[in-house]
Amino acid sequence: GESVGLHLPTLSVQEGDNSIINCAYSNSASDYFIWYKQESGKGPQFIIDIRSNMDKRQGQRVTVLLNKTVKHLSLQIAATQPGDSAVYFCAENNAGNMLTFGGGTRLMVKP
Amino acid sequence: EAQVTQNPRYLITVTGKKLTVTCSQNMNHEYMSWYRQDPGLGLRQIYYSMNVEVTDKGDVPEGYKVSRKEKRNFPLILESPSPNQTSLYFCASSRRGGVSYEQYFGPGTRLTVT
Repeated sequence: GESVGLHLPTLSVQEGDNSIINCAYSNSASDYFIWYKQESGKGPQFIIDIRSNMDKRQGQRVTVLLNKTVKHLSLQIAATQPGDSAVYFCAENNAGNMLTFGGGTRLMVKP
Repeated sequence: EAQVTQNPRYLITVTGKKLTVTCSQNMNHEYMSWYRQDPGLGLRQIYYSMNVEVTDKGDVPEGYKVSRKEKRNFPLILESPSPNQTSLYFCASSRRGGVSYEQYFGPGTRLTVT
């Protein structure tokens, strides 16, 4: 399948542990943020989003935290599973109808 | 099944030979977009369309054209491909005119220009 990239930052966690993936965004005027998951050979898949008027949002096993003061976004995955192994991208809406994506972080889950 | 489809999935071509990558969605989405993905650069937006007959440039539009004559289709056209357009291309759509809604991505098209 298609490869995403060979030199991404990598986070390696033990199965069952919690994972935290971080992202620094660029524009203080950004008002919407998204996390995507991309498995090998597939297109990005929506995980969770958050608007700038919130600082935390929870989904099923995932939580997104937004710190506007330091322009930082994080994705927390609880009880990480082998199926969570993928590349994770954050994206920000900072210019009307366009998204700007971060470079991605590879999550590897050790059994 | 709700999905975004792209064709072809893989394409090897030569410099200057016009090509079209098709994108179709069956979700009646208004917003459609094209991205390219390159190692170390992440996903970059090429063009997007808010609705039929409405298209706008993204971050990296040079060398590409698009059209939106029907709601479901959003083809990407490379009039004269060059090697620097070798990349992995994704089409995406979302239900309303704007990015503040979940985007559904296609499976990707791997293009190699020699």
